[in-house]
Amino acid sequence: NAGVMQNPRHLVRRRGQEARLRCSPMKGHSHVYWYRQLPEEGLKFMVYLQKENIIDESGMPKERFSAEFPKEGPSILRIQQVVRGDSAAYFCASSPELAEETQYFGPGTRLLVL
Amino acid sequence: AQKITQTQPGMFVQEKEAVTLDCTYDTSDQSYGLFWYKQPSSGEMIFLIYQGSYDEQNATEGRYSLNFQKARKSANLVISASQLGDSAMYFCAMRGFFYGNNRLAFGKGNQVVVIP
Repeated sequence: NAGVMQNPRHLVRRRGQEARLRCSPMKGHSHVYWYRQLPEEGLKFMVYLQKENIIDESGMPKERFSAEFPKEGPSILRIQQVVRGDSAAYFCASSPELAEETQYFGPGTRLLVL
Repeated sequence: AQKITQTQPGMFVQEKEAVTLDCTYDTSDQSYGLFWYKQPSSGEMIFLIYQGSYDEQNATEGRYSLNFQKARKSANLVISASQLGDSAMYFCAMRGFFYGNNRLAFGKGNQVVVIP
């Protein structure tokens, strides 16, 4: 049973470019979460999605950031016009429909903005 | 809102010894869950153990146990018989169980280095 998959593992972008981060949840999981980890910090919640719905985006910056979890395919976290402050590790987690206590994390995407 | 506090400085632990990592939390939620995750130098986040606020017994998972003291709002992780592979950052997290809330709130982590 494959775990949460994220790609790419590392992403380098220049200021002003777009970054697209992908997350495929564990098989049978329909809840996806995105977190951001700045250097020397714990993870900070960004957004919680179910298929085709954004449930909670209270942690998302108001501008440039968006997330989706389409009916088919992976969840996408999109960062437009990246700035150096966006450099961080972005983690995706998933949980199953019924037993929602534990969130299982992917390996993360390390974004570096030059 | 939930707040997690992990304030221990980095720790060096002798192999085969036990280590306790402190975690205190603050919440107004009546029902909540507490989690510990491990982040080795490779960067992934590995789930270790879960404790529900309504659980009367402390959670255990192999060499990991959670010393849950609800009145003190603490949820310390105990790793018994440390191994070199236990060297990592350890994060305490919590989630309030109320409708619509699936956010995990994390502490800043405890660094553990196991020495032979």
